[in-house]
Amino acid sequence: DTGVSQDPRHKITKRGQNVTFRCDPISEHNRLYWYRQTLGQGPEFLTYFQNEAQLEKSRLLSDRFSAERPKGSFSTLEIQRTEQGDSAMYLCASSRGGGENTEAFFGQGTRLTVV
Amino acid sequence: GEDVEQSLFLSVREGDSSVINCTYTDSSSTYLYWYKQEPGAGLQLLTYIFSNMDMKQDQRLTVLLNKKDKHLSLRIADTQTGDSAIYFCAERRQSSASKIIFGSGTRLSIRP
Repeated sequence: DTGVSQDPRHKITKRGQNVTFRCDPISEHNRLYWYRQTLGQGPEFLTYFQNEAQLEKSRLLSDRFSAERPKGSFSTLEIQRTEQGDSAMYLCASSRGGGENTEAFFGQGTRLTVV
Repeated sequence: GEDVEQSLFLSVREGDSSVINCTYTDSSSTYLYWYKQEPGAGLQLLTYIFSNMDMKQDQRLTVLLNKKDKHLSLRIADTQTGDSAIYFCAERRQSSASKIIFGSGTRLSIRP
């Protein structure tokens, strides 16, 4: 296992379409995070899973966004009825559970462009 | 990052030291991090410091933490062209141990 992988790396979609991104965390990591990064900004927290449970959601995550981690391994992030403002880099990270300092390893991200 | 602030740009001459500064607002933050992001690449953790420490050194990197002022800095000694990147300061808050809050990043450019 070489790290956190995300698919696709790039996605161009028309406004109003639905998109789904996938994240495969490092295999022994039970924590998984989704972040969004727009140009010139730092990553903004979206949501967090411990195993299959979604424990925290940012208010940035509108009703059009949904994330799942059905078996506690890979995760999907779906955006329904995409808007131009959804254009961003979507980053996934994973870390071990337990203990306070658990280093989060980031994937390369999925760059979404809504036209 | 709404609560973690950094200057946007820093330009240094090759071979000089770079100092990137950051302020954070949550005094309960337990761990503070420096991440590096190169163009087209993901985030790479460079180093971190626990809140009960005031300094940490790791090869060319020195992290200084002033908990009273909630100020964090990253010093890169003998800056090289390969150090060109965006550097993000981030905090892990005790109140929400699950997530890391990032600053907006400091773009470091190296002059010959």
